Amino acid sequence: DQQVKQNSPSLSVQEGRISILNCDYTNSMFDYFLWYKKYPAEGPTFLISISSIKDKNEDGRFTVFLNKSAKHLSLHIVPSQPGDSAVYFCAASWPGGADGLTFGKGTHLIIQP
Amino acid sequence: NAGVTQTPKFQVLKTGQSMTLQCAQDMNHNSMYWYRQDPGMGLRLIYYSASEGTTDKGEVPNGYNVSRLNKREFSLRLESAAPSQTSVYFCASSEGGAGAGTNEKLFFGSGTQLSVL
Repeated sequence: DQQVKQNSPSLSVQEGRISILNCDYTNSMFDYFLWYKKYPAEGPTFLISISSIKDKNEDGRFTVFLNKSAKHLSLHIVPSQPGDSAVYFCAASWPGGADGLTFGKGTHLIIQP
Repeated sequence: NAGVTQTPKFQVLKTGQSMTLQCAQDMNHNSMYWYRQDPGMGLRLIYYSASEGTTDKGEVPNGYNVSRLNKREFSLRLESAAPSQTSVYFCASSEGGAGAGTNEKLFFGSGTQLSVL
């Protein structure tokens, strides 16, 4: 049973426009959510996170929104740039668990010139 | 600052061969993890070590063993490799385990591409 779901395997966005990546989760115990970015042949790198006590966190061009009642979070990238082309993983953790993060399957974002 | 270092970067094995993937971190982190990434499957946790001297199974531990040699090093061993273990393996570390707030952020190595023929 997949607890973190990214239902869009890929997303194509024009340069300069907004990219919106979505993530749904089923485990109501999750209290911390992260987004990772991964380029080919490299390890994932941390992008932005949000605690369940917040509904928005912003860092430059990146904003994460959390809707706890819908068990949904989204990553907004504005404006999208060519260097944003990568695979984005949504991840979650829950209090007291020492077993790392639970990841979604990833969304491949392609920024078109 | 090297962060998380994995060796080797690439490896080809024959079915039944054994090998050990090495991982070291220089950030004085307490927790270390091994994940595998397969096409369309995302990142799945194989084993983790919440602190030096402890190891625990993750989501997909079958066919693997681990050793937390010291605080810095966490190795993953395939005793008898199978084609189903063809994957990209990532080691990661974090300052604290899950539930530790911002300490949950994982730092990843660059990965090991393993092919089992």
